[in-house]
Amino acid sequence: NAGVTQTPKFRVLKTGQSMTLLCAQDMNHEYMYWYRQDPGMGLRLIHYSVGEGTTAKGEVPDGYNVSRLKKQNFLLGLESAAPSQTSVYFCASSYLENEQFFGPGTRLTVL
Amino acid sequence: AQRVTQPEKLLSVFKGAPVELKCNYSYSGSPELFWYVQYSRQRLQLLLRHISRESIKGFTADLNKGETSFHLKKPFAQEEDSAMYYCALKTDSWGKLQFGAGTQVVVTP
Repeated sequence: NAGVTQTPKFRVLKTGQSMTLLCAQDMNHEYMYWYRQDPGMGLRLIHYSVGEGTTAKGEVPDGYNVSRLKKQNFLLGLESAAPSQTSVYFCASSYLENEQFFGPGTRLTVL
Repeated sequence: AQRVTQPEKLLSVFKGAPVELKCNYSYSGSPELFWYVQYSRQRLQLLLRHISRESIKGFTADLNKGETSFHLKKPFAQEEDSAMYYCALKTDSWGKLQFGAGTQVVVTP
């Protein structure tokens, strides 16, 4: 089992560009989450999903959109990237509200 | 308001010395707390949770509701304990976690 995988690992964008981060899990987990990690601020929840076709906002959702068309995939989109979105993005999944399993992260730089 | 506070950004200890990472929380309901660890170039992983009351890799953490704390302790630090440690609070039935800012632990020989 690969667990939770994230694509890409690194990305550099220019301000205003768009991109999609892909999270995939092979553990048949219902719940999936997107976090951003910034120095001195820990991890903050962007959006989450409690099942295929459902999404909800977390603590810092502005500037991001998500989709959960398939149970195993959770996509995070940036429609118009801003330098404030420079961060490391982590995806996680869990079987209901139990232990969260994290992906390796995507390091995004917006110039 | 829900909040998790880790007051120490960096803890530097010598191998064999005790280490304690502080975590305080603010939560109106019945808290469920976790410690997650991120070793260098590895993904974040669960270290322990208060409901299991177990010891993992020599670490223990006790929930003190009176002091609203969930400090992580290890009596004898090892070099392999060097990592970033996050305290986290589960905030609802959907499993959402509120993380603290993290404490970087450096164990020197």
